[in-house]
Amino acid sequence: AQSVTQPDIHITVSEGASLELRCNYSYGATPYLFWYVQSPGQGLQLLLKYFSGDTLVQGIKGFEAEFKRSQSSFNLRKPSVHWSDAAEYFCAVEWEYGNKLVFGAGTILRVKS
Amino acid sequence: NAGVTQTPKFRVLKTGQSMTLLCAQDMNHEYMYWYRQDPGMGLRLIHYSVGEGTTAKGEVPDGYNVSRLKKQNFLLGLESAAPSQTSVYFCASSRNPGLAGAAISSYEQYFGPGTRLTVT
Repeated sequence: AQSVTQPDIHITVSEGASLELRCNYSYGATPYLFWYVQSPGQGLQLLLKYFSGDTLVQGIKGFEAEFKRSQSSFNLRKPSVHWSDAAEYFCAVEWEYGNKLVFGAGTILRVKS
Repeated sequence: NAGVTQTPKFRVLKTGQSMTLLCAQDMNHEYMYWYRQDPGMGLRLIHYSVGEGTTAKGEVPDGYNVSRLKKQNFLLGLESAAPSQTSVYFCASSRNPGLAGAAISSYEQYFGPGTRLTVT
């Protein structure tokens, strides 16, 4: 079965430090790739998405992600983390028509001052 | 626009009780979805609908039923609640990416704020 793996359950970074959250997906047809963020007690908000073209995509809140087909990865990055970035981040992949998203288990980001 | 709304926000049920969760969207989206979110497991698709009057099973459909009588509403029912159904439930909606000339943005799913359900 197709799957999405986020290897890090928790990550703690200092405010102002850089951030990289990892996401790998199982092999399949060209996927559509998404990163969502969930603040405590809130729904999911789309950060960015990749469908085709430039493999480095820019999103909201200063986030970016890079699609690497050879590694089946779509890692999320931010050069300087702010305390307000503390949240849970989900990678999601769509492989087939019908908008069936498969989510990773999520990575909880803690930001220390 | 309110986007995607969910009712109720919180609910506590006893084992065996039934309830219906309501999802409403005002974006005229064709597709609607119900997910459950459990710690360490991300979101898993329960059921989805590609249009009014149609529903289909997702990854974890057992113990749930759904109905899409109106385009803007998608109901999730639990006929006999079990403790294993304690979870946070999210509804989402999107456009139909299969329509001719559909924009890439059609693939984006918009999520509601969630319903926290506890079954004791």
